[in-house]
Amino acid sequence: DAGVTQSPTHLIKTRGQQVTLRCSPKSGHDTVSWYQQALGQGPQFIFQYYEEEERQRGNFPDRFSGHQFPNYSSELNVNALLLGDSALYLCASSLGGGAVGKQYFGPGTRLTVT
Amino acid sequence: RKEVEQDPGPFNVPEGATVAFNCTYSNSASQSFFWYRQDCRKEPKLLMSVYSSGNEDGRFTAQLNRASQYISLLIRDSKLSDSATYLCVVNRDYGGSQGNLIFGKGTKLSVKP
Repeated sequence: DAGVTQSPTHLIKTRGQQVTLRCSPKSGHDTVSWYQQALGQGPQFIFQYYEEEERQRGNFPDRFSGHQFPNYSSELNVNALLLGDSALYLCASSLGGGAVGKQYFGPGTRLTVT
Repeated sequence: RKEVEQDPGPFNVPEGATVAFNCTYSNSASQSFFWYRQDCRKEPKLLMSVYSSGNEDGRFTAQLNRASQYISLLIRDSKLSDSATYLCVVNRDYGGSQGNLIFGKGTKLSVKP
């Protein structure tokens, strides 16, 4: 049973560039949430996708956008990268309408903006 | 004020010690509570849910006090493998749908031989 997978593992980008991160949920899961974890901080909720729609959003600017595909996989896009966007980006999958909090995290994508 | 606050530590304890972590949350509408464990440069993993009646899982005991908006985690007989960052997590329930998880900054535990 494959767990949550994310790609790429690491990424280095320059300020002003755009980046796309990818996530495949755990088998059987239909909900994908994205989190940003800066060094020394806990993860911060970016947004959640269910049935190909953004269902909830955290306090992140419009530069952060996402998409969910019919197979439940998801992408996180960040435009006009800032140095402060450097962080570990975590994807978590869960079952919509199911047990709250039972989110399974992927290994993350470490983004460095220079 | 942060929505979930934890003492960042680090807590440095010898093997076999008992250690307790505390956490407070500010939003009284919070519905669900958890402890996650995160190893260095790894993803968070659910350690245990926290229930009002208190719950135990082996060497780990979690307590919730809704009136004081306070959550605790007790680890007995610490093992070297318990060394990690422990994240206190609350969930806001948006009208019945799954809410997002609100994480504290984490408490770092280091268990020494």
